[in-house]
Amino acid sequence: NAGVTQTPKFQVLKTGQSMTLQCAQDMNHEYMSWYRQDPGMGLRLIHYSVGAGITDQGEVPNGYNVSRSTTEDFPLRLLSAAPSQTSVYFCASSYGQDYTEAFFGQGTRLTVV
Amino acid sequence: GENVEQHPSTLSVQEGDSAVIKCTYSDSASNYFPWYKQELGKGPQLIIDIRSNVGEKKDQRIAVTLNKTAKHFSLHITETQPEDSAVYFCAAANDYKLSFGAGTTVTVRA
Repeated sequence: NAGVTQTPKFQVLKTGQSMTLQCAQDMNHEYMSWYRQDPGMGLRLIHYSVGAGITDQGEVPNGYNVSRSTTEDFPLRLLSAAPSQTSVYFCASSYGQDYTEAFFGQGTRLTVV
Repeated sequence: GENVEQHPSTLSVQEGDSAVIKCTYSDSASNYFPWYKQELGKGPQLIIDIRSNVGEKKDQRIAVTLNKTAKHFSLHITETQPEDSAVYFCAAANDYKLSFGAGTTVTVRA
């Protein structure tokens, strides 16, 4: 069991570039989510999915897109990167029912210059 | 939406002493309250959680209490050890969505 795998671990983008942060889990979890972590602000929910084909917005969705074509994968897309999107991004997954433990990936540190 | 406040932001304790972190939440519909520990360069990891129908839960040196009337919950770490040094986050969950506090950096002095 690899758990939750995020790639890449580090990325530097220029303003206006696009990229996709990958997230995969091998625990057959229904629920997956993306958070960003900024100093002094904890983790803020960007988007989440309660199952394949279903996604919804979290607290800070602007500038990000997601899709969930399979149970295992939940990529996060930045269409036109901005310096305000410099952050550490975490993907998480859980069984989704009756609130069970959320497992987090190792994170992707993104810098937009 | 849910708003979770966490205090203190930093906490320094002598090895062997206790550490207490407190959180408040705003949405009375929240019914699941996990605590996560994050070590440098890693993702958060669950250390203990409590559901709304339980007032207290203990796991070895870690305990969590919940007061639903006052909308606050606390993490207690007893007999702290150097490996307890980390950032701790509280969270409140409602309708699948976790809302996190800003975090507490705990330093255990040898």
